[in-house]
Amino acid sequence: AQSVTQLDSQVPVFEEAPVELRCNYSSSVSVYLFWYVQYPNQGLQLLLKYLSGSTLVESINGFEAEFNKSQTSFHLRKPSVHISDTAEYFCAVSESRDDKIIFGKGTRLHILP
Amino acid sequence: DGGITQSPKYLFRKEGQNVTLSCEQNLNHDAMYWYRQDPGQGLRLIYYSQIVNDFQKGDIAEGYSVSREKKESFPLTVTSAQKNPTAFYLCASSIGTGNTIYFGEGSWLTVV
Repeated sequence: AQSVTQLDSQVPVFEEAPVELRCNYSSSVSVYLFWYVQYPNQGLQLLLKYLSGSTLVESINGFEAEFNKSQTSFHLRKPSVHISDTAEYFCAVSESRDDKIIFGKGTRLHILP
Repeated sequence: DGGITQSPKYLFRKEGQNVTLSCEQNLNHDAMYWYRQDPGQGLRLIYYSQIVNDFQKGDIAEGYSVSREKKESFPLTVTSAQKNPTAFYLCASSIGTGNTIYFGEGSWLTVV
């Protein structure tokens, strides 16, 4: 069965600094990988996903994530964060053989002024 | 408007009572999910269903039950066997494998 590990429960970072949110997964078959974001007092929404093809995927608001099969990772990065990026970020994994989707425990991104 | 509707938004129940949370979607999605969100625990999968009349246990199914008699509906019953039922419950749906899942606004259940 698949599993997801987000090692950092909270990440503080200064505004305009780069950030990396770590995600590792385990699975015995091929996977689909997702990052979801939950802004304060809002529901979860998709940020980006990897299904196949290029291992680097991007979102419309400057985040990117790279699928690394050998390290079983899908870390989320942004070169320069903004106060509006304050949110909780969830990594999720789905095995290609069925619809089961497992989420990590989430990482709270705190942007410091 | 298309989306996922969960009801009620807030629910209070006495310990020992069963309670059913409603989830309806008009997105024509085949897959539906129930998650529980607790602080510091992320989202934990309770049950999921890939097709009508079929559902699978997630990681924390004990004390919960579901049904999928219609494509658009996936109600969750929190039974008295659930040891710690007070939580925020999220219903979600998806077209299928590898596709984006969409979430409802959630239901807060408090058991006293």
